[in-house]
Order: sequence, then C-alpha cells, then structure tokens
Amino acid sequence: NAGVTQTPKFRILKIGQSMTLQCAQDMNHNYMYWYRQDPGMGLKLIYYSVGAGITDKGEVPNGYNVSRSTTEDFPLRLELAAPSQTSVYFCASSGAASSYNEQFFGPGTRLTVL
Amino acid sequence: KQEVTQIPAALSVPEGENLVLNCSFTDSAIYNLQWFRQDPGKGLTSLLLIQSSQREQTSGRLNASLDKSSGRSTLYIAASQPGDSATYLCAVWGSQGNLIFGKGTKLSVKP
Repeated sequence: NAGVTQTPKFRILKIGQSMTLQCAQDMNHNYMYWYRQDPGMGLKLIYYSVGAGITDKGEVPNGYNVSRSTTEDFPLRLELAAPSQTSVYFCASSGAASSYNEQFFGPGTRLTVL
Repeated sequence: KQEVTQIPAALSVPEGENLVLNCSFTDSAIYNLQWFRQDPGKGLTSLLLIQSSQREQTSGRLNASLDKSSGRSTLYIAASQPGDSATYLCAVWGSQGNLIFGKGTKLSVKP
C-alpha cells in the first residue's frame, strides 16, 4: 500500500494565483483531513471529511476549499493565494468507525506564495 | 479550548541515555492521544496511540504513558541513538475528530 500520497511536493505561487493540492489514500479510510504547519507551530486543521460528499471546516478554513467526490481523494483548493498561506500542508486519513483512531499522514506539500 | 504543551522545546543528549519527553493538555476529557515523529522536511510518522482507557503503550524502545486526571503524557525513549534525532509531536483528539498538536520537542542525540 502507498498509504497517503500528496502532490506536488513543492510549489511556488504568485499572489493571486490558484492551485489544487492533491491527496489520495488507498486504505479505504472514511476520514480525511487537511492540516497546515507553520514554522515553530503545531499543525492546525483546515478542513476535514467524514466520507464521500461530506466536508466540514476546521480551525483555519479561510482562503481554502475542499471537495470529496470519492473515498480515495480529498483535494484542497487555494483560490487567491496570499503570502499568509505560505506553509507546509499535510493530508491525513483515519479508518475506524469513529474518527478517534490512529491518523496516518502524507509526506506534505511545501508551498511558498510570493 | 483544548491546548497541548510540550516541554522541553529542544533537548540534546549523548548517545545511550534514557530520556523523557513531556506533553500536557488542558482538557482531561480526551479520547485518544497520539505521539508522532517528524524528521526535517518530512511528514509525520505515527509512533504510539494511547486510547483513553489505557495507561500506557510500548513499541520497542519507546514507552508512552497517559494520566488523564493530571492532563499529562510522557514519551520514554530507552538507550537513545543518533537515529532518534527528530522532532517529537504529541497530539490529542479534539471535538471535531481532529488532532490538536503541541509544538513539539526537537531531540538531538549526539554520538
């Protein structure tokens, strides 16, 4: 199993540009999450999904959008990139009936907005 | 609001030493607690998951304990090795089913 995969690994955007960060998991997990990690800070939840077609906001959702059309994929969309969105983005998934189970993380996408 | 604190922020030890990393949380009504390892420029690797009904979990040289009443967890690393050098993150489960993270302890094990 590949686990949780993310693309791209690195990206530089100009202010105002848009992009989609891709996330996929092959563990048939229902729960998927997007976090961002800023230097010296803990990870913060952006959006999460409890299954295909169901998404909800986390702690820092402004400037982002998500969709979940399949169990496997959970893309994160940045519509108008801003320097404050410079960060490392991690996708995660978990598989129990309850979400209170072990989370598995992807390798991250390092995004710089100039 | 749940907050997670990790002390110390950084730790440097000689190879072979046993060490303890500390994690505290403000709301004792947690479900699970998870310890992660993060290498520079890499993703998070899950080390141990302690369910709320458990007191500790062990994996190899790692032992994690959980005391909900005092809002504390410790990660014990026995016989540390240079390959253990990394940032260790503690996280507890929040009300949205997400993890709430501490800022981590950066461990350096010197040969």
